[in-house]
Amino acid sequence: EADIYQTPRYLVIGTGKKITLECSQTMGHDKMYWYQQDPGMELHLIHYSYGVNSTEKGDLSSESTVSRIRTEHFPLTLESARPSHTSQYLCASSDLSGTGGREQYFGPGTRLTVT
Amino acid sequence: AQSVSQHNHHVILSEAASLELGCNYSYGGTVNLFWYVQYPGQHLQLLLKYFSGDPLVKGIKGFEAEFIKSKFSFNLRKPSVQWSDTAEYFCAVSTDSWGKFQFGAGTQVVVTP
Repeated sequence: EADIYQTPRYLVIGTGKKITLECSQTMGHDKMYWYQQDPGMELHLIHYSYGVNSTEKGDLSSESTVSRIRTEHFPLTLESARPSHTSQYLCASSDLSGTGGREQYFGPGTRLTVT
Repeated sequence: AQSVSQHNHHVILSEAASLELGCNYSYGGTVNLFWYVQYPGQHLQLLLKYFSGDPLVKGIKGFEAEFIKSKFSFNLRKPSVQWSDTAEYFCAVSTDSWGKFQFGAGTQVVVTP
């Protein structure tokens, strides 16, 4: 059973507020990812990390930022939320060891609504 | 750019019917392929994966998928579905050593009693 946690699960917030979405995993995985998912659409990779102090932007441009100070923790921050940021945000992790192609383990997601 | 295409966005079928969901990708090199499932209210879970070897892979809950390299396809099948298979199914492809995924848009499957 994968242990990857996201908080909050649901968030409704006003425009202009700063928010941080939390993601933690207890599996010691080096790789972590953030995806954005809108209803009926594919998951889009917005950020990823190969390990501590490593962060990269994904395929979908995002105004959010991430940090990786500890292996188990990969928070995502929006400095000034806007209605266009309304979406579901999924965090995932995978094991760096071995060849590529390891499965990713997903958290339950945070559904963000910006009013 | 790489892409993953899932042919059906919505599928409705009766219990005991057979299910086949299509997945095609556009990438000519080595690929790792995955099917994930998301049951209502739950997080994404791995159904099965293909890295190498036998192109017919078996996963959990009676699902299987066949990798056909010449067709760039990785279709998911189940011979007899149950009501509990109602879920959204996502195909994903990984083409680099860092394990980044490209996902399809998903197929919503509804199984009626």
